[in-house]
Amino acid sequence: EIVLTQSPATLSLSPGDRATLSCRASQSLNTYLAWYQQKPGQAPRLLIYDASNRATGIPARFSGSGSGTDFTLNISSLEPEDFAVYYCQHRSNSLTFGGGTKVEIK
Amino acid sequence: QVQLVESGGGLVKPGGSLRLACEASGFIFSDYYMTWMRQAPGKGPEWVSYISSSGLTAYYADSVKGRFTISRDDAKKSLFLQMNSLRAEDTAIYYCARDLGRRYRSGWCDSWGQGTLVTVSS
Repeated sequence: EIVLTQSPATLSLSPGDRATLSCRASQSLNTYLAWYQQKPGQAPRLLIYDASNRATGIPARFSGSGSGTDFTLNISSLEPEDFAVYYCQHRSNSLTFGGGTKVEIK
Repeated sequence: QVQLVESGGGLVKPGGSLRLACEASGFIFSDYYMTWMRQAPGKGPEWVSYISSSGLTAYYADSVKGRFTISRDDAKKSLFLQMNSLRAEDTAIYYCARDLGRRYRSGWCDSWGQGTLVTVSS
């Protein structure tokens, strides 16, 4: 079973800062990784799929990179609406989520 | 636009049953794989099950295998989750979600409903 470990658990940043979130897999995923954003009281929203492809309507400040076991989600300049929890997800016959990174206002 | 509306959640005793429904609109429902996800209070999302666009193939998380059954009715543009032998650890918000791929499975969910709360407690 593949385990996804996200770090850090919490990221304290200010609007305008760059955010770098990490997702590490227990075995190689090729590029089969996605990133979701979740705000309180809302369902998760797909941001990035296949490691680096932005989903429809996602702003260009969000970018994903990586392959194999190490993946990164970058937010180039944080907007007030970007403070949320971010999850990575792998897909095989099953779907697996990481534990999440909370991006909070410093 | 794509819309997914879940219903059927509620309070149920351990060992009881519940049937969730998800009504879809704004896209050709029969073309897409569909997924149930859940999220326990204060926890991250957890995949529960998905069903192929044809309805012939379904996969389940080990935690629900043998207790939950996913199904779909394309004529009614609806997805279902029959949940039996419910346990306290099944308490969660249950979301239905559409796969990103059309006529193939991508494994990524690009549209989610607002969720329905299932509480298993005596």
